[in-house]
Amino acid sequence: AQSVTQLDSQVPVFEEAPVELRCNYSSSVSVYLFWYVQYPNQGLQLLLKYLSGSTLVKGINGFEAEFNKSQTSFHLRKPSVHISDTAEYFCAVTGTASKLTFGTGTRLQVTL
Amino acid sequence: ETGVTQSPTHLIKTRGQQVTLRCSSQSGHNTVSWYQQALGQGPQFIFQYYREEENGRGNFPPRFSGLQFPNYSSELNVNALELDDSALYLCASSLGPNPDINYGYTFGSGTRLTVV
Repeated sequence: AQSVTQLDSQVPVFEEAPVELRCNYSSSVSVYLFWYVQYPNQGLQLLLKYLSGSTLVKGINGFEAEFNKSQTSFHLRKPSVHISDTAEYFCAVTGTASKLTFGTGTRLQVTL
Repeated sequence: ETGVTQSPTHLIKTRGQQVTLRCSSQSGHNTVSWYQQALGQGPQFIFQYYREEENGRGNFPPRFSGLQFPNYSSELNVNALELDDSALYLCASSLGPNPDINYGYTFGSGTRLTVV
């Protein structure tokens, strides 16, 4: 079984500042990791995913994440955020099963 | 290409009633998964259908059931609604049952179900 912990429920940040959203996972098997973004009243949009290979993964909208197997982490980063990045962000994991296991989400609030 | 379309967008039902939610998969996708997202929580896996057969189920009671049709559209049915069933229900389609393939999942915008 897999599980995901998102350590911060809310992250306030000023526009143009860097941000890191933390995600830790647990699994007894090899994993695939994902970050999704959810804007108000919308579904989930894939930001990036780690399947194999390079541990630094680049996604859409300037986001990137680094897979760290020894620390079982997959933190999401952006060097300079914009007001439009305000949204809920979900980390998710899957192993060999068909389902995604999501964390409880981190609310990124970007202000001027 | 078309995305995933869910209907209705909002729904209010009374406790004890039955509800059917619908999902139209992205063109070419043969797999659909349903998730329940309670307020302030992450989505929880309900079940997945692949080529019209259930292909995995989460920790949900049997009153949650589904169907997938030959055109790969899908329904989620919930019987004997309870107040705790109030949530956003998300449908996700994919090209194949395993999310490790390159195409991943495409999520719909969801149906907001309120049980009163």
